[in-house]
Amino acid sequence: NAGVTQTPKFQVLKTGQSMTLQCAQDMNHNSMYWYRQDPGMGLRLIYYSASEGTTDKGEVPNGYNVSRLNKREFSLRLESAAPSQTSVYFCASSEAPRDEQYFGPGTRLTVT
Amino acid sequence: GQQLNQSPQSMFIQEGEDVSMNCTSSSIFNTWLWYKQDPGEGPVLLIALYKAGELTSNGRLTAQFGITRKDSFLNISASIPSDVGIYFCAGSQTGANNLFFGTGTRLTVIP
Repeated sequence: NAGVTQTPKFQVLKTGQSMTLQCAQDMNHNSMYWYRQDPGMGLRLIYYSASEGTTDKGEVPNGYNVSRLNKREFSLRLESAAPSQTSVYFCASSEAPRDEQYFGPGTRLTVT
Repeated sequence: GQQLNQSPQSMFIQEGEDVSMNCTSSSIFNTWLWYKQDPGEGPVLLIALYKAGELTSNGRLTAQFGITRKDSFLNISASIPSDVGIYFCAGSQTGANNLFFGTGTRLTVIP
């Protein structure tokens, strides 16, 4: 039982490049989330999926898109990376919205 | 989004000392959660609280759901070096489909 897994762990992009961050959970949770964490800013919600087939914007969705591929997988895409998107990205899942969330190990992204 | 205020922002304590931190909001919450984040890792759930006034322990950690439902407290007794990290509070509200997180308390334990 791996919990929440994220790939890649580290990534360096040039401005304008695109990439997809992958997230999978094996806890049969219904809800999944993407956060970014910047120094001194805590965790900010980018997008979430309350259940399979639904996605909603969080606090900071601009510049990102998401896909809830199936119940297990929730991906985050940067179509045209910008230096302001340099951050650590965390995926999380929960049984239902508002329940306690379980986090992955994070992806450290640098955009130059 | 909803603002959760954590205090203090950072703490430097001697090994063996007790630690107290809190989280406050201007709104009522239905659930309070406490997470710890080690350097380079994702947050890990420590304690979950579901009822006003509830007091729950997890080893040396004790957390309380404030009676007003607008605050929560975390205490760590007899701190050890591995307690170093950032502690986040989080809460849920009726009508919201996600948790709200505090900005964290950074704990440093001096051996």
